[in-house]
Amino acid sequence: QSALTQPASVSGSPGQSITISCTGTSSDIGGYDYVCWYQQHPGKAPKLMIYDVSNRPSGVSDRFSGSKSGDTASLTISGLQADDEADYYCASYRSSSVVFGGGTKLTVL
Amino acid sequence: EVQLLESGGGLVQPGGSLRLSCAASGFTFSSYAMTWVRQAPGKGLEWVSGIKNSGGNTYYADSVKGRFTISRDNSKNTLYLQMNSLRVEDTALYFCAKSLGGYARGYDYWGQGNLVTVSS
Repeated sequence: QSALTQPASVSGSPGQSITISCTGTSSDIGGYDYVCWYQQHPGKAPKLMIYDVSNRPSGVSDRFSGSKSGDTASLTISGLQADDEADYYCASYRSSSVVFGGGTKLTVL
Repeated sequence: EVQLLESGGGLVQPGGSLRLSCAASGFTFSSYAMTWVRQAPGKGLEWVSGIKNSGGNTYYADSVKGRFTISRDNSKNTLYLQMNSLRVEDTALYFCAKSLGGYARGYDYWGQGNLVTVSS
């Protein structure tokens, strides 16, 4: 099962906005609205940031937003803060299983 | 407060077996699908297996199909992962996680992770 494709790294300055892409196929991202995004700080468990493409769980800042176009999903973080520096993973339903992206390291300059 | 507490990891030789447990509290365990996700040292997340709330339906990644078995005991609020025929590439931190609803919709609570090391 090949992973979804994410950029290895992105960076931005405090206050700026960044977008992380996640590319799949019509068998996963393009075929279902079950796309999630997770944030993981070093040594910690992942934290759900977005589910069902664009929904935020209770307690997640509205600076985080998700979208999808065709086979590509995106996570946008606005008003970057130092604590946003972390690894971010997308995930999607695919044929009775779930597939994750390879992860993107976000650096806040 | 939702808590997921994993146990059962450790060092095992290739070809060996281990059973992971995940004790859940703070929510109605029998109402939610559960999943196992693993992370090899320095690597990304990999979905391993999921199970519906009733336990009647189970799902596996191709990499573990036929070797791992997920199960749950709703009377004990506990999730399990029986791992047989372990390989060096199964070495990872194993997280149990609670699903928002269906097993693929998103995991809103995670355990702290349990390290499994497969080595001779």
